[in-house]
Amino acid sequence: QQQVKQSPQSLIVQKGGISIINCAYENTAFDYFPWYQQFPGKGPALLIAIRPDVSEKKEGRFTISFNKSAKQFSLHIMDSQPGDSATYFCAASLNTGNQFYFGTGTSLTVIP
Amino acid sequence: DGGITQSPKYLFRKEGQNVTLSCEQNLNHDAMYWYRQDPGQGLRLIYYSQIVNDFQKGDIAEGYSVSREKKESFPLTVTSAQKNPTAFYLCASRTARGTGGADTNANEKLFFGSGTQLSVL
Repeated sequence: QQQVKQSPQSLIVQKGGISIINCAYENTAFDYFPWYQQFPGKGPALLIAIRPDVSEKKEGRFTISFNKSAKQFSLHIMDSQPGDSATYFCAASLNTGNQFYFGTGTSLTVIP
Repeated sequence: DGGITQSPKYLFRKEGQNVTLSCEQNLNHDAMYWYRQDPGQGLRLIYYSQIVNDFQKGDIAEGYSVSREKKESFPLTVTSAQKNPTAFYLCASRTARGTGGADTNANEKLFFGSGTQLSVL
C-alpha cells in the first residue's frame, strides 16, 4: 500500500500565487521528509527537507510545514514562477533503514 | 564533475529480450537504488544495494535483476519475465547513514541520474 499519500495530482497556479502540495503518512518511525523537484526527461533533485523535530523549514520561496500529530506535511511555494512548473514528489525514510517511500507526485503548472 | 550517469537515454526492447540499463556514479556513495516511474504512480523501488556484492529487493523486483560488483556501478537487467517494462527508469545513490558529519541531512540526500526511457517494440 502507498506509504506516503500525496495530493493534488495536478495543480495550476497563476504567476505570483502560492502553490500548496500536501502529503500524509502513517508510519511514525519515519524521520526524514524530503521534497524532490523533477523537470520533464530529468531525474528528480532534492528541493528541501525536514525532520520531525521542527514544524517548519524555509529556504527562499520554498517552505515545508510539518504537523507531527496529524502525520502530515506540505510544501508551499511562494510567489510561484513559470520556472517552477515541474513535478514535485514528497518522500519519507525510516530511521532504521535505507529505503525511501515516495508520494505519487504533483504536476505543477504556473501560468504567466 | 561528480554525479550519476545513466545510459542509454532511450532503449527499445523486443518481446522475449533481456536488456540492461547502465548506472555509474563517481560520488563514492555506498548505497545505490533503482526506481521505476510510471505516470501517476510516483517512484517505485525495484532494487537497492548498500554495499558491494549485496543487494535487496524492493517493492516491484519481479522481472528484474541487478548486480553490484563495483562500488560505482549498479546495472539493472529487465528480463523477458517483466511483461510490462515500458517506463522511465531512475538510478540514485547516497552516502551511508551516519557518514554525513555534523549535517545529519547530508547522508539522506538522494542523487538521481537523468533516467532511461524503456519502450517495447
